[in-house]
Amino acid sequence: DTAVSQTPKYLVTQMGNDKSIKCEQNLGHDTMYWYKQDSKKFLKIMFSYNNKELIINETVPNRFSPKSPDKAHLNLHINSLELGDSAVYFCASSQDSGPNTEAFFGQGTRLTVV
Amino acid sequence: GQSLEQPSEVTAVEGAIVQINCTYQTSGFYGLSWYQQHDGGAPTFLSYNALDGLEETGRFSSFLSRSDSYGYLLLQELQMKDSASYFCAFMDSSYKLIFGSGTRLLVRP
Repeated sequence: DTAVSQTPKYLVTQMGNDKSIKCEQNLGHDTMYWYKQDSKKFLKIMFSYNNKELIINETVPNRFSPKSPDKAHLNLHINSLELGDSAVYFCASSQDSGPNTEAFFGQGTRLTVV
Repeated sequence: GQSLEQPSEVTAVEGAIVQINCTYQTSGFYGLSWYQQHDGGAPTFLSYNALDGLEETGRFSSFLSRSDSYGYLLLQELQMKDSASYFCAFMDSSYKLIFGSGTRLLVRP
């Protein structure tokens, strides 16, 4: 059973397009996150949702928008894709957003913008 | 500002012991976590230190010194499968999980 699953695994698209990445967790966790990992493997938090409420919103371009239909899902929508958006995007979830938090990551979506 | 510093790469031989250091800077700090990521894979949780001292989990141990803003991950009896990237991370005062830039560990036969 996959704990945190995201689709698609690979996404190749042209500049200017709009795309979405879906994420679902079956762990019953309250908090979900989106991270961006660049070519240098630096992991940067983009968004965090707790019980469908946005609790962290990093300074990412407003072309990126998280959508959470319920606490098991956190999808990422990206408008007007740019070359610099190429990266691996990871969805993650945790039991809560407290300090002793183990985050469970999905397998990642490798986005390539051409 | 907030930052975590790790060596970019470490090489060791199979069966040896390796230590990956992490220094951090932040105004609010709850504890230090370590994650492992194999190439093409997802980060997976290894350990968490909230208090000073050593936490042992099998072949892996993690250490924290809050007064020195320093921690390390110790890997013993290295195996080839330990070749991966290792990230230290902390949860800051607003509960953001902030990651270091990662240390790539290469285990040689």
